[in-house]
Amino acid sequence: EAGVAQSPRYKIIEKRQSVAFWCNPISGHATLYWYQQILGQGPKLLIQFQNNGVVDDSQLPKDRFSAERLKGVDSTLKIQPAKLEDSAVYLCASSLGWGQNGYEQYFGPGTRLTVT
Amino acid sequence: RKEVEQDPGPFNVPEGATVAFNCTYSNSASQSFFWYRQDCRKEPKLLMSVYSSGNEDGRFTAQLNRASQYISLLIRDSKLSDSATYLCVALGAYGQNFVFGPGTRLSVLP
Repeated sequence: EAGVAQSPRYKIIEKRQSVAFWCNPISGHATLYWYQQILGQGPKLLIQFQNNGVVDDSQLPKDRFSAERLKGVDSTLKIQPAKLEDSAVYLCASSLGWGQNGYEQYFGPGTRLTVT
Repeated sequence: RKEVEQDPGPFNVPEGATVAFNCTYSNSASQSFFWYRQDCRKEPKLLMSVYSSGNEDGRFTAQLNRASQYISLLIRDSKLSDSATYLCVALGAYGQNFVFGPGTRLSVLP
């Protein structure tokens, strides 16, 4: 079974530029998550989708971050404009979204973003 | 107070040792809990889910104490390959409000 796919794996941009990340979840997984992980910290949930609807975006900095999952499958996360403090690894995860084990999350390899 | 707190670590233990990590959570509405392991510069990988009082999988045992709001992870007979950061996760009601702890780093020494 294919895992969660993410691209690009690495990105270096200058502050005030924009950047977009792409995620394709495990086939059949209804729930998709975007996390930000700063070095030395645990992942922080940015946004959670159930199919193509937003379940939780309480920690998404909406003035600069946006995300969409238009067809309920793959998703993009955008930052515009980027700040130095956005340097982090951006992780995408997916889960079934139903049943007892429905919230067991499987992560993609992440995108390492450096803002200079 | 952070929503999920973990032993700060790092833990340095010899091969074959038994080691235990603690995790406390502040949201009493949390329903489910998970332990993930994360290797350096890799993504987190699910180690164990905890839905009731505990769970056991081989050398790994997780215990949940809802009254005191903590979860523990016990690793018996530590292997070199167990060296990683262990992340505790609490999930709120209705499948929302995932909160990761900061992680506890374990180094198993030969």
